[in-house]
Amino acid sequence: AQSVTQLGSHVSVSEGALVLLRCNYSSSVPPYLFWYVQYPNQGLQLLLKYTSAATLVKGINGFEAEFKKSETSFHLTKPSAHMSDAAEYFCAVSSYGNNRLAFGKGNQVVVIP
Amino acid sequence: DAGVTQSPTHLIKTRGQQVTLRCSPKSGHDTVSWYQQALGQGPQFIFQYYEEEERQRGNFPDRFSGHQFPNYSSELNVNALLLGDSALYLCASSSPVGRASLQETQYFGPGTRLLVL
Repeated sequence: AQSVTQLGSHVSVSEGALVLLRCNYSSSVPPYLFWYVQYPNQGLQLLLKYTSAATLVKGINGFEAEFKKSETSFHLTKPSAHMSDAAEYFCAVSSYGNNRLAFGKGNQVVVIP
Repeated sequence: DAGVTQSPTHLIKTRGQQVTLRCSPKSGHDTVSWYQQALGQGPQFIFQYYEEEERQRGNFPDRFSGHQFPNYSSELNVNALLLGDSALYLCASSSPVGRASLQETQYFGPGTRLLVL
């Protein structure tokens, strides 16, 4: 079975500081990895995805993530936090031929002015 | 271009009742997946429909059932509701695996928030 682990349910970051959200995956087959964002009372919006092409993936709103097979990680970063980045972020894994997503528990990001 | 739509937005039921949630996929998509998101948790996969058949199923009891119609819209039915069924139910649509370019992105609707009393 595939799974992801996100540590630290709540993450506080100052406006203008680096945003770093950690995701580690477990998969017996080459994984596809995703980061989704969820704003209050809304569904999930895709930030970026890794599907075995470039290991450094750039997404929307200035976010990027790097796939590191040796560390089984897919951490999400943004160089400078903005107030509008306050939301919940979910890492998810699937694989080719099986597009059911397994999500982590999420990180609630709070941006401090 | 309309995205994924879901109805109703909110629903309140009592234990033992039955509920039906509805989803219309994004234009051009023919695969619909359903997820349950309990408060403070990540979404959990319930099942997926393609060509009007259930193709994959997560670890949910038979009280959870679904249907897909010829126009690709879908329903999620939950029988004999329990308090623990209270959650946000998300629908996601995509193109089927194998068509187009490998893994297709799943697009999520806004969800239906179900409260069971």
